[in-house]
Amino acid sequence: QKEVEQNSGPLSVPEGAIASLNCTYSDRVSQSFFWYRQYSGKSPELIMSIYSNGDKEDGRFTAQLNKASQYVSLLIRDSQPSDSATYLCAVNFISGYSTLTFGKGTMLLVSP
Amino acid sequence: KAGVTQTPRYLIKTRGQQVTLSCSPISGHRSVSWYQQTPGQGLQFLFEYFSETQRNKGNFPGRFSGRQFSNSRSEMNVSTLELGDSALYLCASSIGTSGSSDTQYFGPGTRLTVL
Repeated sequence: QKEVEQNSGPLSVPEGAIASLNCTYSDRVSQSFFWYRQYSGKSPELIMSIYSNGDKEDGRFTAQLNKASQYVSLLIRDSQPSDSATYLCAVNFISGYSTLTFGKGTMLLVSP
Repeated sequence: KAGVTQTPRYLIKTRGQQVTLSCSPISGHRSVSWYQQTPGQGLQFLFEYFSETQRNKGNFPGRFSGRQFSNSRSEMNVSTLELGDSALYLCASSIGTSGSSDTQYFGPGTRLTVL
């Protein structure tokens, strides 16, 4: 059974701080990894994708991938109250198919 | 470019009834995936359609079915509804030919309540 694990939180950080969200997955051969943000009552919104070991930066967001440790993380710099949401880690375990396995998400709360 | 659309947005049904949900993908996208989201189980994959063919299927009972039309629009059907089918049903579209890097974009979802 291929699984994606996330700490459910909530992770509480003050405004302006760095929020660090972590995700582990069970299959060493997985190739693609995604972070989605979901506001309460809304659908998931893509933040970033990452496919290679190392860091990938997009604005205030940095995704980090370590395939040897089966670990992917998302850093949010200069956190804002509007970043308060649930962050979902998703892994495509099956090459050639558009099928994502999601973690249950980490709730992030950014206090002013 | 218009995003993924889903209809209806809200549905209330009673046990034993059946329901059909619709999804229109982003223009040019040929893959449509369906997910069920509940507070307890999170987001779970139902099935994926590509070029009118079911390409992959999750671990759900046969009461859950779907199809895709030639214009890539997709429908999913749930027959003999149970209370546990109450959930947010999400449709995601992607190009479908990008292999493992295929990126999915979600629609707003259909909130189904079974009474």
